[in-house]
Amino acid sequence: DTGVSQDPRHKITKRGQNVTFRCDPISEHNRLYWYRQTLGQGPEFLTYFQNEAQLEKSRLLSDRFSAERPKGSFSTLEIQRTEQGDSAMYLCASSTRQGNYEQYFGPGTRLTVT
Amino acid sequence: GENVEQHPSTLSVQEGDSAVIKCTYSDSASNYFPWYKQELGKRPQLIIDIRSNVGEKKDQRIAVTLNKTAKHFSLHITETQPEDSAVYFCAAPSAGNKLTFGGGTRVLVKP
Repeated sequence: DTGVSQDPRHKITKRGQNVTFRCDPISEHNRLYWYRQTLGQGPEFLTYFQNEAQLEKSRLLSDRFSAERPKGSFSTLEIQRTEQGDSAMYLCASSTRQGNYEQYFGPGTRLTVT
Repeated sequence: GENVEQHPSTLSVQEGDSAVIKCTYSDSASNYFPWYKQELGKRPQLIIDIRSNVGEKKDQRIAVTLNKTAKHFSLHITETQPEDSAVYFCAAPSAGNKLTFGGGTRVLVKP
């Protein structure tokens, strides 16, 4: 499968714990986006990378959230001190280059904070 | 930033009938408008998109129309089938090509 992959697919954690998600984009894609989707809503932008550079972070991304893309390939999204309001589907998408808008999504990581 | 509104939020159609979903956007600089289909528990899947240099694009039973002056675009599904049942999202890009999504339309095709 050469599409976008994410790991894990599901994560259940207790409030206050830290969690880390991974996204592997389509291999030739240099742009990588993180979105969050809650039930019944459309995805909301969190942050994006061009190669290894993080170019923008949404105001939705509190200081408990951090994302990296160290070698310009896979990316990780970490949430520290999780809260129940963090429960959502975390989606990753990738695209080829600036000016090519087509974004392809991964299957998502569903986070449940108890 | 970009603001995208989508209507209706739910749409029930009889198999074989047409379905139309409409979206409006706020940023007149937006020039790319994708539509995603999301089945329950699955990833959003890009089904069709349109760029601002054309007014209409068609792919088999689905088509998208764009009115840049009025800042709205629509998805048309003809000859609906049960497998068309899903949630559909429109979107528009802003700086960095990040997408702003509409609230979604839940389409139910009744056999």
